[in-house]
Amino acid sequence: LAKTTQPISMDSYEGQEVNITCSHNNIATNDYITWYQQFPSQGPRFIIQGYKTKVTNEVASLFIPADRKSSTLSLPRVSLSDTAVYYCLVGGMDTGRRALTFGSGTRLQVQP
Amino acid sequence: DAGITQSPRYKITETGRQVTLMCHQTWSHSYMFWYRQDLGHGLRLIYYSAAADITDKGEVPDGYVVSRSKTENFPLTLESATRSQTSVYFCASSESRGAGAQSRYFGPGTRLTVT
Repeated sequence: LAKTTQPISMDSYEGQEVNITCSHNNIATNDYITWYQQFPSQGPRFIIQGYKTKVTNEVASLFIPADRKSSTLSLPRVSLSDTAVYYCLVGGMDTGRRALTFGSGTRLQVQP
Repeated sequence: DAGITQSPRYKITETGRQVTLMCHQTWSHSYMFWYRQDLGHGLRLIYYSAAADITDKGEVPDGYVVSRSKTENFPLTLESATRSQTSVYFCASSESRGAGAQSRYFGPGTRLTVT
């Protein structure tokens, strides 16, 4: 099972770039890496997913090194509304891996 | 677009009672998932389903039962509720197949309290 480790919390200021790293040392060959954002009293919201190298969408970038044992979510120019808990999830549905386990998440606090 | 709905949103029940949490999605996604999230923790997978009539256990399945007779519905039943099952329950779905089929869209959650 791919256990993930993230920093418990991070602080930033509006307009800064924020990078959140997730460690997943025992990632399996077919596992994908997915990042989510969660606000209080809401379900998680999908941000980005990748398998290797770099993936970018309209809200974030995901950097995955060649060994895939970690990944970094990059949020450009954060705003107050980015204050939330961010989770990385490692797993895959077609590998017989029944546990798609979320880590404990990183609580990002963005200040003015 | 309705997306994923869960009902009830809040439920209080007594120890030993049977409780069913409902999940409905309007996209006809193949994959559906049930998670629980305990206060201050991440989500843990209870059960998932790859298609109608196909279900499998996740990380914490004990004490729960699921069924999926229709693609759009994925009810979760607590056969005999215990206090340790007090939690927030999230349903999710995904249209992806294969290794990338991780939970894509989440419902608003059901807050269950077992007294």
